[in-house]
Amino acid sequence: AQSVAQPEDQVNVAEGNPLTVKCTYSVSGNPYLFWYVQYPNRGLQFLLKYITGDNLVKGSYGFEAEFNKSQTSFHLKKPSALVSDSALYFCAVRGNSGGYQKVTFGTGTKLQVIP
Amino acid sequence: KAGVTQTPRYLIKTRGQQVTLSCSPISGHRSVSWYQQTPGQGLQFLFEYFSETQRNKGNFPGRFSGRQFSNSRSEMNVSTLELGDSALYLCASSAWTLDTQYFGPGTRLTVL
Repeated sequence: AQSVAQPEDQVNVAEGNPLTVKCTYSVSGNPYLFWYVQYPNRGLQFLLKYITGDNLVKGSYGFEAEFNKSQTSFHLKKPSALVSDSALYFCAVRGNSGGYQKVTFGTGTKLQVIP
Repeated sequence: KAGVTQTPRYLIKTRGQQVTLSCSPISGHRSVSWYQQTPGQGLQFLFEYFSETQRNKGNFPGRFSGRQFSNSRSEMNVSTLELGDSALYLCASSAWTLDTQYFGPGTRLTVL
């Protein structure tokens, strides 16, 4: 069965510092990987995705993610955090399970950027 | 372009009743997926409809069903409601099956 692990429930980072939100996955076949963000009282928003190609994927709001096949990881990164980046971040993987495709989300990581 | 809309935004039902939730996708999107979000289980995939056919499904019981109309609007039905069905139900649309998904604001279902 496919799965996604986000090992940190919360990540605290000072404004202006680089941030990393970790994600590891398990899936049969080639992974399709996504990052979504959920701001308070707002819906889930797409940040970026990896399907194939360059291991470094760039997305919205200055975020990027690094795909590492050997470590089955897809960590989200940003060089300089903003207070407005504070939100709940979800990693997701699309893969085959029991003859169907499905999307499995991680449990989410709350990012707190401290001014 | 208008985003994904879901109606109603809030619902209160009692155990044993059934409920129907509605989702209108982004214009031109043919794929509509449904998710259940709870504090304990997180975001769980229910099923996906594409061009009026259920294309993919998660691991939910048959009490959870859905359909999609020719204009891509989708409905989800939950029969014989249980207390554990209380959750935020999210709908997402995408141009292709389970590709980049655009989420609606959700329907908050409370089962008493």
